[in-house]
Amino acid sequence: QSVLTQPPSVSAAPGQRVTISCSGSMSNIGNNYVSWYQHLPGTAPKLLIYDNNKRPSGIPDRFSGSKSGTSATLGITGLQTGDEADYYCGTWDSSLSVVVFGGGTKLTVL
Amino acid sequence: EVQLVESGGGLVKPGGSLRLSCAASGFTFSSYNMNWVRQAPGKGLEWVSLISSSSSYMYYADSVKGRFTISRDNAKNSLYLQMNSLRAEDTALYYCARDIPHYVGSFDYWGQGTLVTVSS
Repeated sequence: QSVLTQPPSVSAAPGQRVTISCSGSMSNIGNNYVSWYQHLPGTAPKLLIYDNNKRPSGIPDRFSGSKSGTSATLGITGLQTGDEADYYCGTWDSSLSVVVFGGGTKLTVL
Repeated sequence: EVQLVESGGGLVKPGGSLRLSCAASGFTFSSYNMNWVRQAPGKGLEWVSLISSSSSYMYYADSVKGRFTISRDNAKNSLYLQMNSLRAEDTALYYCARDIPHYVGSFDYWGQGTLVTVSS
């Protein structure tokens, strides 16, 4: 059972928009910044968003992040088949003094 | 170019030990906090441990506390994970990952991982 809750899967058609939610508590999302990662199993995860809504250089603006209270959301517009991957949210938990991840969301581009 | 290359994985029996290494290059290693993150087969990402840039503090996941020890050698640009009393549930692909400065728990670069299998 992950500290952060994500939907197990989401799907959408190419060109459409999809959002992935990440729910936590005051000790993690509520008082810390959220990161989002794209991961194909067996490869190095890629940072998409940090500090809730900042994109590292090289990440297209099709990817966006937001946070409200104890929840965060990753948005992806203009879906491409290459976006099919697992997506994880992560943050610091101030009560546990650990980094916590969501359970991951598998994105399928139909 | 930032590079993180893990090594040291392999097959070990339950109760055994293993030491993972992560060789860093392309950046000033001594200025960054570093982490170990793992992924068990068919499971999600699980953070394992963090060490500050100067080794002044370390944190561990409850699942490994008391069994694993994180360390670093800034002179050798290397990160380590000493794993003792290994269990079957420690079987995973282990990644080293770099923290973004001032953003603890946000990892901007990851290695390709080293596989640890704990089995009799």
